[in-house]
Amino acid sequence: DTEVTQTPKHLVMGMTNKKSLKCEQHMGHRAMYWYKQKAKKPPELMFVYSYEKLSINESVPSRFSPECPNSSLLNLHLHALQPEDSALYLCASSQNRGGEQFFGPGTRLTVL
Amino acid sequence: GESVGLHLPTLSVQEGDNSIINCAYSNSASDYFIWYKQESGKGPQFIIDIRSNMDKRQGQRVTVLLNKTVKHLSLQIAATQPGDSAVYFCAENTIGNQFYFGTGTSLTVIP
Repeated sequence: DTEVTQTPKHLVMGMTNKKSLKCEQHMGHRAMYWYKQKAKKPPELMFVYSYEKLSINESVPSRFSPECPNSSLLNLHLHALQPEDSALYLCASSQNRGGEQFFGPGTRLTVL
Repeated sequence: GESVGLHLPTLSVQEGDNSIINCAYSNSASDYFIWYKQESGKGPQFIIDIRSNMDKRQGQRVTVLLNKTVKHLSLQIAATQPGDSAVYFCAENTIGNQFYFGTGTSLTVIP
């Protein structure tokens, strides 16, 4: 299995909702990442997990809360988001930090 | 056809021509670079990589050139095909083993 899967593909939520994005890989990779991508912009790094520990938080607001339950799974919990948080949220994984990253298809998030 | 990345974010080429996509990276300490292709509605897809101890690397129809003196990276696509139409990003592995993406160039192949 050489892919990263993300669910859901699309998500629409209100500003008072709580939702979660999920990411899964079965390549034995030990580093996993969350990126945010706005239209016509490059992906922006949000969080990095290495060996299931949060190693980088790129000054992301606390309304985004990452979680790595095990080496194959990565979640992003969302609460009290703003309309400007609408974007494509990409998950990626790599063998180790700094290696080639494999990306999932992303979750298209719309905050109303 | 050729782009200069930040200054020409779109590039149109005729099918069968060669394409050159350019990228200026920011950190002279970056030691690993990747070119990604992103099609509409999909995540970025690895194309080719290069480490800082090399100045050229070839793949199937693609070549990456690295000029560390001027912090410049280019992606050459030979015999461009309609399926090559996408946005292309360079990414640099910099301090702390973090990847940062360049602005991106949108390539359109005209049949």
